[in-house]
Amino acid sequence: GQNIDQPTEMTATEGAIVQINCTYQTSGFNGLFWYQQHAGEAPTFLSYNVLDGLEEKGRFSSFLSRSKGYSYLLLKELQMKDSASYLCAPLDSNYQLIWGAGTKLIIKP
Amino acid sequence: GAVVSQHPSRVICKSGTSVKIECRSLDFQATTMFWYRQFPKQSLMLMATSNEGSKATYEQGVEKDKFLINHASLTLSTLTVTSAHPEDSSFYICSARGDQEYEQYFGPGTRLTVT
Repeated sequence: GQNIDQPTEMTATEGAIVQINCTYQTSGFNGLFWYQQHAGEAPTFLSYNVLDGLEEKGRFSSFLSRSKGYSYLLLKELQMKDSASYLCAPLDSNYQLIWGAGTKLIIKP
Repeated sequence: GAVVSQHPSRVICKSGTSVKIECRSLDFQATTMFWYRQFPKQSLMLMATSNEGSKATYEQGVEKDKFLINHASLTLSTLTVTSAHPEDSSFYICSARGDQEYEQYFGPGTRLTVT
C-alpha cells in the first residue's frame, strides 16, 4: 500500500531551525513535494525534489533520499508566520500526489 | 506561478439542495484538474480526477452521482454537490495541472456548510 509518515505536531522557537521528517512508501515514485497549509487555506507549494540531495530555497531547504524513502524539510530563521501544517506529498507512478495528515508546526516567541 | 481560482469561497446551503463550485485556471491550460475534500485536522482526500473533455475518475468511496464533476474546457471544472447533507460540510479544494507538468496548482478552497 501507499503510506506517508510524518510527526503529527512539532513546536519550535522563533528564530530557531526545525527539521520535519517524512518517510514514504508508494507505488512507483516520480518525485516528492512539500506544501505549506495555513489553517482554513489551501496548500501552497514549497519545494519539489526528484533527485537525491538537498534543494535550498531561501529559508527553506528540502532533502530527498530515494533509496531510503525519506525526505525532510528544513526551516531556518523561523518566523511566527511559519506556524502552519507542512505536507509531504510524493508523486506515485500514476503522477498522483499521495497525501498524509501533515505536520502541524507551532512557533513560539 | 500559475493561478487557480475557486468560486464561491464560502457557501451555506440547506439540506437537500445542490451547490456548484467552480474552479478556473486563470493563466494556463489545465489538462487535468483534481477535486479534494478536507475535514478539520485531517489530510487532503482526493475525490476525483478529471481530464478536459472526458469523464472524471472517482476515488473509491466517492459517489459519482452525488458529486458531479464537469471539465468542459481547459480552464474550467465544476463540482456540484447534489442533495447536500450536513455530513457534506467540508473544505473543498481544487487543483489544476498543465500538460507535461507534475506540479498541481491549488485553488483557495471553498468552505461548504450544509444546515
